[in-house]
Amino acid sequence: EDKVVQSPLSLVVHEGDTVTLNCSYEVTNFRSLLWYKQEKKAPTFLFMLTSSGIEKKSGRLSSILDKKELFSILNITATQTGDSAVYLCAVEARFGPGSSNTGKLIFGQGTTLQVKP
Amino acid sequence: DTGVSQNPRHKITKRGQNVTFRCDPISEHNRLYWYRQTLGQGPEFLTYFQNEAQLEKSRLLSDRFSAERPKGSFSTLEIQRTEQGDSAMYLCASSFPPRQGNEQFFGPGTRLTVL
Repeated sequence: EDKVVQSPLSLVVHEGDTVTLNCSYEVTNFRSLLWYKQEKKAPTFLFMLTSSGIEKKSGRLSSILDKKELFSILNITATQTGDSAVYLCAVEARFGPGSSNTGKLIFGQGTTLQVKP
Repeated sequence: DTGVSQNPRHKITKRGQNVTFRCDPISEHNRLYWYRQTLGQGPEFLTYFQNEAQLEKSRLLSDRFSAERPKGSFSTLEIQRTEQGDSAMYLCASSFPPRQGNEQFFGPGTRLTVL
């Protein structure tokens, strides 16, 4: 069965710290891996990764994918209190064993990050 | 606001009642998805539309659930004879691959509480 596992489940840091969030997956017919940030509302899109070894960056956030080892990491440098949120990792996969369609996102449990002043 | 919108944002109902939620995707997005999220968990896929065609349904979607997307624009999700286990956040997302790489953009969700 397809699954996505994130670690740690929760993390408490102080402003200015650097954090690394992990996401491992076992998914049939992998298409892409996506990271979202959720702050008590809708998940907001951060990154989509399709190729191994190519880092994507947006400000203090960066992410990379390893398709051989089946994992991704999300790094946040110089954390701020506004980074406090649940970070969700999702993998796009086939809808089911008998389906040729892809597009279903399989989410991990999320990592809850709390950044203290 | 040109994002995904959902109505209502909150719904409280009694067990056994029917409820209907609406999702308006980003205009021109031809794909629309429904997910359900319970506390402390990531969203779980429920169903998927490409234009007006419902192409995929999760086994989580029992026969009490039905979704439509007439004319390929907005979508509705109806739950009949609600049960307490239906209490969750119902999220709608839309996308327009391949131009945007099938990044799914989520609406604010409808939080359902079944008493």
